[in-house]
Amino acid sequence: KQEVTQIPAALSVPEGENLVLNCSFTDSAIYNLQWFRQDPGKGLTSLLLIQSSQREQTSGRLNASLDKSSGRSTLYIAASQPGDSATYLCAVRPWGGSEKLVFGKGTKLTVNP
Amino acid sequence: GAVVSQHPSRVICKSGTSVKIECRSLDFQATTMFWYRQFPKQSLMLMATSNEGSKATYEQGVEKDKFLINHASLTLSTLTVTSAHPEDSSFYICSASKGAGGNTIYFGEGSWLTVV
Repeated sequence: KQEVTQIPAALSVPEGENLVLNCSFTDSAIYNLQWFRQDPGKGLTSLLLIQSSQREQTSGRLNASLDKSSGRSTLYIAASQPGDSATYLCAVRPWGGSEKLVFGKGTKLTVNP
Repeated sequence: GAVVSQHPSRVICKSGTSVKIECRSLDFQATTMFWYRQFPKQSLMLMATSNEGSKATYEQGVEKDKFLINHASLTLSTLTVTSAHPEDSSFYICSASKGAGGNTIYFGEGSWLTVV
């Protein structure tokens, strides 16, 4: 059974700092991995999607890496801003054709001005 | 871009009553939609896979008679929580994928259910 773990559970940093969020998964047979952002009381916003054959994806100040063999992914946020404060969720789509996702519990990020 | 819409965003109901949550794909057809539930400080957990024109597939531990799913059209899936109890209070969110291979998965805004 695929399990996704995110560390740390919460992170508080001053504005401008670069930071890394970690995600690990137990089964390397994945189709892709996706990072989402969830604001309080809101739905999910997809940030980056990495296919199993890829090693990283970048979008603006965000960079996500994937090491499928070791079951790890990181989300790097450069020059953090207070508007980045949210919960960041990592989710894997298992290999096998199903579109259902397995989520981690998330990392709650607070960027202090 | 593709949008998935959920309604209502928040609902309060009395214990013992039923409540229906709708999930619509606004500009694409979705043969499959997914319903997730998230309790406070927990992961989003898949409840069921909603299949257009056929029965939903429920995950282990999810009561199919309590959480009724109907996917009558290619753009609408509904989740009905029957005989709701306070422990059913949670954040319910749906997703749908667009395109061949379903690489892009779109989530609805989510629905907060409070059972009093």
